Amino acid sequence: DSGVTQTPKHLITATGQRVTLRCSPRSGDLSVYWYQQSLDQGLQFLIQYYNGEERAKGNILERFSAQQFPDLHSELNLSSLELGDSALYFCASSYGLASYEQYFGPGTRLTVT
Amino acid sequence: GIQVEQSPPDLILQEGANSTLRCNFSDSVNNLQWFHQNPWGQLINLFYIPSGTKQNGRLSATTVATERYSLLYISSSQTTDSGVYFCAVYTGTASKLTFGTGTRLQVTL
Repeated sequence: DSGVTQTPKHLITATGQRVTLRCSPRSGDLSVYWYQQSLDQGLQFLIQYYNGEERAKGNILERFSAQQFPDLHSELNLSSLELGDSALYFCASSYGLASYEQYFGPGTRLTVT
Repeated sequence: GIQVEQSPPDLILQEGANSTLRCNFSDSVNNLQWFHQNPWGQLINLFYIPSGTKQNGRLSATTVATERYSLLYISSSQTTDSGVYFCAVYTGTASKLTFGTGTRLQVTL
């Protein structure tokens, strides 16, 4: 158990819908990262928050957004869902900003039908 | 951006065999992590290793940052070692991890 929690574990929804994925980091960690794992793109970084502020963006679509709350939990919002958004979404956390070891949650498996 | 390649892409071993997985990266890195993704999809931290050698039970890892590669050794493999092994690197001042292509390992009885 990494100490990072994610909910829900599985999500099935239809095209065009909007979903919210939730992540709670390990106790004491200030950075939260979101990654997407799909069959064709592998594991890709989406976005990072540190102590409530966005710090880095990767290959995140405009239809996706995220935030980190004062209690340090984070939410990833996916809207206007397409079939290609079906993937495993991971949240990770680390203590600091750069090069600290990252610990991954169990992931949320999103299926868009 | 940095390219991270792993070899071999697929590996089938009999239980008890040893193996070496390789991770090559195209640019200098600040740090490197090895992960095991089990058949249930969980990413499990194995090593956080910017340079040198670390050991944890039957697993060990060596990173030679100046030559841009890292190796993961699995000895006396067990069926529970099956899954996909990823290396991932940190570059520059970025906190994000760039993942390699993965090595899929199957350990058979």
